Amino acid sequence: NAGVTQTPKFRVLKTGQSMTLLCAQDMNHEYMYWYRQDPGMGLRLIHYSVGEGTTAKGEVPDGYNVSRLKKQNFLLGLESAAPSQTSVYFCASRLAGGSYNEQFFGPGTRLTVL
Amino acid sequence: DAKTTQPTSMDCAEGRAANLPCNHSTISGNEYVYWYRQIHSQGPQYIIHGLKNNETNEMASLIITEDRKSSTLILPHATLRDTAVYYCIATESGTYKYIFGTGTRLKVLA
Repeated sequence: NAGVTQTPKFRVLKTGQSMTLLCAQDMNHEYMYWYRQDPGMGLRLIHYSVGEGTTAKGEVPDGYNVSRLKKQNFLLGLESAAPSQTSVYFCASRLAGGSYNEQFFGPGTRLTVL
Repeated sequence: DAKTTQPTSMDCAEGRAANLPCNHSTISGNEYVYWYRQIHSQGPQYIIHGLKNNETNEMASLIITEDRKSSTLILPHATLRDTAVYYCIATESGTYKYIFGTGTRLKVLA
């Protein structure tokens, strides 16, 4: 199993440009998440999904949109990138329900907005 | 979700036990305590979790106080590869999210 993969690994954007980050998991997990991590900080939840076709806002959703058209994929979009969105973006997934709900994380996407 | 408080940084000698404390004084009865670690800038990695009882797995032990207001993660024989940021998280069973905080930066010294 590849686990959780993220595409691309690195990206540099100019202010105002748009892009989509792709997260894919092959573990048949129902829940998927997008986090951002700024230097010296912990992870903050942007958006999440509890199943195909559903999405919800997390702690810091402004400036981002998401889609979950297929169970295995979770896309994060930046419509008009801003320097404040320079960060490392992590995707995660987990099984639904139960008390044992470990999240599995991808390797991250390092985004710089100039 | 309960707020957690951890020391900013700690050092530990290689081969010795690393004891990482976490305060979660506002934790509710159905909130679990989870520990993750992040090595360099990789994605966080699950270590262990618990509700009331102490827990042990191949990576670590988790000691939770009787009043559940604090816990300690124990790495019994720390190695250089254990150098990482360790996050203590309290979250409700079955909830969709974690609140990570800034964690404890553990440095294992040779």
